[in-house]
Amino acid sequence: DVKVTQSSRYLVKRTGEKVFLECVQDMDHENMFWYRQDPGLGLRLIYFSYDVKMKEKGDIPEGYSVSREKKERFSLILESASTNQTSMYLCASSWDNTDTQYFGPGTRLTVL
Amino acid sequence: QKEVEQDPGPLSVPEGAIVSLNCTYSNSAFQYFMWYRQYSRKGPELLMYTYSSGNKEDGRFTAQVDKSSKYISLFIRDSQPSDSATYLCAMSSAGGYQKVTFGIGTKLQVIP
Repeated sequence: DVKVTQSSRYLVKRTGEKVFLECVQDMDHENMFWYRQDPGLGLRLIYFSYDVKMKEKGDIPEGYSVSREKKERFSLILESASTNQTSMYLCASSWDNTDTQYFGPGTRLTVL
Repeated sequence: QKEVEQDPGPLSVPEGAIVSLNCTYSNSAFQYFMWYRQYSRKGPELLMYTYSSGNKEDGRFTAQVDKSSKYISLFIRDSQPSDSATYLCAMSSAGGYQKVTFGIGTKLQVIP
C-alpha cells in the first residue's frame, strides 16, 4: 500500500512564526503536491513538484514556499505565518501524470 | 462558473438506501475521473478511478461517467453507517502535467 505521512496532525503557531510542514512518501512517486482544504472552498493546490529540486506554483502559492531535496520528501514552508493560513494542509503523491494522487492524513494548522 | 460543481449537502439517508452522488463539469478535456472518500479529520482516500466514459463497479460502489453531458455519478448500494463521510469528485485531462481539479465534496450521513 502507498503510504504518505505528514510530520504533524495538529499544529498551533503564532503570527509571524516560520512554519515547516513535512511530507514523506514511501512509493518512489515522481510527483508530490501540497493542498490546503477549507470549508466551502474545497481543495486548493498550493505547490507541486514533479522531480527532485523542481517545483511549480499551484493556484494559491502566495505566502508559501516548498523544498524537495530528496525524492521521498516534500516540505511546505510558511515564511511568516498569518491567521488566514489557518487551515487543513494535505500532502499527496502520484507515480506519473496519469496516475491518481494518494493523500496523507493532513495537518490541521492553527495560527493565532 | 467553477470547472467542477458538486452539491455540498449534507445528504442524510437511512441505512440500506441507495445513494447517488453527482458532479458536473465544464472542461471537455477532462479524461480521468475519480471519487475520493474523506472521513472527518482524515485525508481523502481513493475510492474509484475511471478513464473516459462508461461504468465501473467495485463491490457496493458504481461510478458512471457521461462525457456527452459532462456529468459523473457515484452510486452506493446498501449504504452503511460506515459510509458516512465526505465524497469528493476529482478529474483531470490527459497529456502533460495532470492537474487534478476537485469538487467541493458532498457530506453524506447514513442513519442506522
